[in-house]
Amino acid sequence: QVQLQQSGPGLVKPSQTLSLTCDISGDSVSSNSATWNWIRQSPSRGLEWLGRTYYRSKWFNDYAVSVKSRITINPDTSKNLVSLQLNSVTPEDTAVYFCARVDLGPEGNGAFDIWGQGTMVTVSS
Amino acid sequence: DIQMTQSPSSLSASVGDRVTITCRASQSITSYLNWYQQKPGKAPKLLIYAASSLQSGVPSRFSGSGSGTDFTLTISSLQPEDFATYYCQESYSILFTFGPGTRVDIK
Repeated sequence: QVQLQQSGPGLVKPSQTLSLTCDISGDSVSSNSATWNWIRQSPSRGLEWLGRTYYRSKWFNDYAVSVKSRITINPDTSKNLVSLQLNSVTPEDTAVYFCARVDLGPEGNGAFDIWGQGTMVTVSS
Repeated sequence: DIQMTQSPSSLSASVGDRVTITCRASQSITSYLNWYQQKPGKAPKLLIYAASSLQSGVPSRFSGSGSGTDFTLTISSLQPEDFATYYCQESYSILFTFGPGTRVDIK
């Protein structure tokens, strides 16, 4: 079955870059029917979609306006993973970060059906 | 931007109760509405997609209905493992906005 395994540091200093990875098993980051998303959750902002990457003959990215100037989501086809980088972080970026899949194929449902376990990231000096 | 609201924000119920949670979108999202269950320290779990379709493996006591702007999630007979927070989420727009959640706890 499809599983997503997240990794990355739990503490990041203000103004630095938050970096997380999401290892994919049971599916391919290059799938023509999936999108690979990052979502975060905090008490103040609730669940917030941050962005996605997906492959449809070439790679595409979409990002939330709230983080568009600071975020990069990249696929790594050699390792079958997707990464998140968020630059210039502040304490407001403190949250639990999740990766999640959307399956748009014939058997898919268009919703976030597979989630990583979540990574609590604290922005503090 | 589409805004999602949920009511109530929390409720207390007993095992065996019928529970209904409402989600409202600020504009029509046709049937692009999903429901998730989240327990403390865990990722959200997909229950219902496309407003009324039951995700594989989810018990049939969960059901969803609605279209346009108004949607409901119903648990026909609440079980001990159902005490959790429930979120609706629109997949109509690129923002994939989530509702604020409804916490279901034990009366």
